[in-house]
Amino acid sequence: GAVVSQHPSWVICKSGTSVKIECRSLDFQATTMFWYRQFPKQSLMLMATSNEGSKATYEQGVEKDKFLINHASLTLSTLTVTSAHPEDSSFYICSGAELAGLQETQYFGPGTRLLVL
Amino acid sequence: DAKTTQPPSMDCAEGRAANLPCNHSTISGNEYVYWYRQIHSQGPQYIIHGLKNNETNEMASLIITEDRKSSTLILPHATLRDTAVYYCIVSQLWSQNFVFGPGTRLSVLP
Repeated sequence: GAVVSQHPSWVICKSGTSVKIECRSLDFQATTMFWYRQFPKQSLMLMATSNEGSKATYEQGVEKDKFLINHASLTLSTLTVTSAHPEDSSFYICSGAELAGLQETQYFGPGTRLLVL
Repeated sequence: DAKTTQPPSMDCAEGRAANLPCNHSTISGNEYVYWYRQIHSQGPQYIIHGLKNNETNEMASLIITEDRKSSTLILPHATLRDTAVYYCIVSQLWSQNFVFGPGTRLSVLP
């Protein structure tokens, strides 16, 4: 399957700082990229959907001013957690949708573990 | 809410086939069935997807009932590395807003 990378794989930051997470599709162009977060012992929850060159669409309850998403190209999307607080500590996972013929399949990155102190 | 229902956990003996069921009784005609798995502390891994015909790839087989209200993922010869949480998701092909349920935690036992 297609490969998606994330950087960094883990980050520890102080409360009030901002953290940027990169998501790259390495061997395909992602028509759409998605950002999820996963709290311990819970399932993945979709935060936002982004298409290259356009504004992201955020799920209900996700603050767009706190979680800034930039989808600069068909292979790169970034998520910036602004003014992070301990409750933002979570496992953040991105995915990219690859179009192959008439079929689109979503491939996930390895995730970024964020710990806010 | 997820559109699928899966058993919370299953055990399988190493080397035997693992059959993971999923109910999706409200699936609509343009929705596909996707299967992913998540090994601890990693991102989900794509396994297989299908619309109405049975599908097979190098990882697994997907059996979808004729009425499309349920499906079964089959891992033909489970290994210890197949221990993971398996997610069954229904979604339209072109609007992949996945809603993850709790999935099935498969434990492959030696």
